[in-house]
Amino acid sequence: GAVVSQHPSRVICKSGTSVKIECRSLDFQATTMFWYRQFPKQSLMLMATSNEGSKATYEQGVEKDKFLINHASLTLSTLTVTSAHPEDSSFYICSARDPTGTSKSGSYNEQFFGPGTRLTVL
Amino acid sequence: DAKTTQPPSMDCAEGRAANLPCNHSTISGNEYVYWYRQIHSQGPQYIIHGLKNNETNEMASLIITEDRKSSTLILPHATLRDTAVYYCIVRGNNNDMRFGAGTRLTVKP
Repeated sequence: GAVVSQHPSRVICKSGTSVKIECRSLDFQATTMFWYRQFPKQSLMLMATSNEGSKATYEQGVEKDKFLINHASLTLSTLTVTSAHPEDSSFYICSARDPTGTSKSGSYNEQFFGPGTRLTVL
Repeated sequence: DAKTTQPPSMDCAEGRAANLPCNHSTISGNEYVYWYRQIHSQGPQYIIHGLKNNETNEMASLIITEDRKSSTLILPHATLRDTAVYYCIVRGNNNDMRFGAGTRLTVKP
């Protein structure tokens, strides 16, 4: 299947600092990428949908000024957690949609997930 | 609003078939049924998806009832490495993936 990578895989930061997480689609161009957050023992919660070249659409309850999303190219989206606090500690997972089926799986409009980034804010 | 209902947990003996049910009684005609699984501390892994016909691939089989209101994911010979949380998701072609609570499958030796 298609590969979506995330960097870093884990990060520890001090409270009040900002952290940037990158999401890349490696073998297809993703016009749409998604960011999820997962707290321990809970399911994945969609945070925002990002379309290349336009502003992200945030889910209700997700602060757009705190979670900055940039989708500047068809293969890269970034999530920046600004002024991170301990309650932002979570597993952040990105996903990318293959709109044309050009990925190795060849499936039109399929959505592929990255391996996740574990953020710990001290 | 995950649109699906799954049992919270199931056990399965190693080497036996694991049958994971999912109810999606409000599914629309253009919505697909997807199955993903998540092994601890990893991103979700795609398993299989279908619209109305039964599907099979190297990982699993998907049986969808004729009225499409429920489906069953079948892992034919479960191994210890199949222990994971399995998510059943209903999604239209242009909609995002929204996860419910899933089923925690434990494969026991």
